[in-house]
Amino acid sequence: DAGVIQSPRHEVTEMGQEVTLRCKPISGHNSLFWYRQTMMRGLELLIYFNNNVPIDDSGMPEDRFSAKMPNASFSTLKIQPSEPRDSAVYFCASSRAGEKYEQYFGPGTRLTVT
Amino acid sequence: KQEVTQIPAALSVPEGENLVLNCSFTDSAIYNLQWFRQDPGKGLTSLLLIQSSQREQTSGRLNASLDKSSGRSTLYIAASQPGDSATYLCAVIYNAGGTSYGKLTFGQGTILTVHP
Repeated sequence: DAGVIQSPRHEVTEMGQEVTLRCKPISGHNSLFWYRQTMMRGLELLIYFNNNVPIDDSGMPEDRFSAKMPNASFSTLKIQPSEPRDSAVYFCASSRAGEKYEQYFGPGTRLTVT
Repeated sequence: KQEVTQIPAALSVPEGENLVLNCSFTDSAIYNLQWFRQDPGKGLTSLLLIQSSQREQTSGRLNASLDKSSGRSTLYIAASQPGDSATYLCAVIYNAGGTSYGKLTFGQGTILTVHP
């Protein structure tokens, strides 16, 4: 399996622009997680889905953040409008109950908002 | 509040030493516990997963133990090498009436440096 795939790997954008991060989970996994990691705050869970349904979005910092999972093989995290404090590495991860929910992470998207 | 704590925050050892990283969790009702490794600028790599019914798991030079009653796990690294230098994170799936969906609660990590 190719593992969890994220795109783009790096994104540099100006404040106020819309940013869309993409994730393809491992085939057969039915739980998907979006995280954000910064030096100051460490690893934060933003939102997670089960069977394409959002379960808990309490970690989403503001209404500027939104996430969708239109099907089992694709999810997006959108920031609109972006701000410099959104600069971070965003990770997507997936897991499956049949695999004891062992979670596998993607390589991350490094976002820089100037 | 369900939390995970890792001690120490950082550890520096000479090559060849055996070492132990500690993880504690506040609620013994866990589904499983997972240890990850993160290299600088990279994603997280799963090292070992221990189910709540298990006491330990081993992979090569790594051994992870679980003691639910005391709320502790340890990651033992034998004969450490400079290539082991990374951040090690412990994460727990807490039971939530059987509907956790695999949500992990992470510790803050231990930064390990193994010098030649």
